[in-house]
Amino acid sequence: SQQGEEDPQALSIQEGENATMNCSYKTSINNLQWYRQNSGRGLVHLILIRSNEREKHSGRLRVTLDTSKKSSSLLITASRAADTASYFCATSRRVGGGADGLTFGKGTHLIIQP
Amino acid sequence: GAGVSQSPSNKVTEKGKDVELRCDPISGHTALYWYRQSLGQGLEFLIYFQGNSAPDKSGLPSDRFSAERTGGSVSTLTIQRTQQEDSAVYLCASSLLKDTGELFFGEGSRLTVL
Repeated sequence: SQQGEEDPQALSIQEGENATMNCSYKTSINNLQWYRQNSGRGLVHLILIRSNEREKHSGRLRVTLDTSKKSSSLLITASRAADTASYFCATSRRVGGGADGLTFGKGTHLIIQP
Repeated sequence: GAGVSQSPSNKVTEKGKDVELRCDPISGHTALYWYRQSLGQGLEFLIYFQGNSAPDKSGLPSDRFSAERTGGSVSTLTIQRTQQEDSAVYLCASSLLKDTGELFFGEGSRLTVL
């Protein structure tokens, strides 16, 4: 079963604008990860935030985590056409992987209009 | 190679035939996952291998699906008597057994059952 749910399902913005995607989950987690998938390709890991962290940055990416609300957000600043992709959150409930080690949502499809 | 390698990249088969999909993980990665992604959907967990431990097969949708991992490295996912609903992209990922659980994905094998 899917633990994380991304919102919105699709997002279209102009190049240069900021894009925000949200992820909600149901049970306690060890960490939460965001992945990107370009059309027809595999997933690429973007950023990981642990359950005891509230905010993390990586380049133009900013991730927040609110464990009390069981939610996370991914912000991409100054978007570029190359950011067009699907973005997935994945929650890790168990150290060391396994069946529930990493559960993915259905993703947000982001389109950056040039 | 440097990344996770999957073959074939595309496979078209007739209903009722058996197919084998191969995954060559990153050298040294002890954990290996198979996921299935249907068009526009998230990732559905299928099976997980960790070292010499018994695999976690809890995600396999039916007994037509099986997987093995030889020598702790290459894995083969076999689908017997394929059905049209088996059409999907089958993604393989590997990781080091750390608390982060970051996965490295292959490009996937796209299976089309006619």
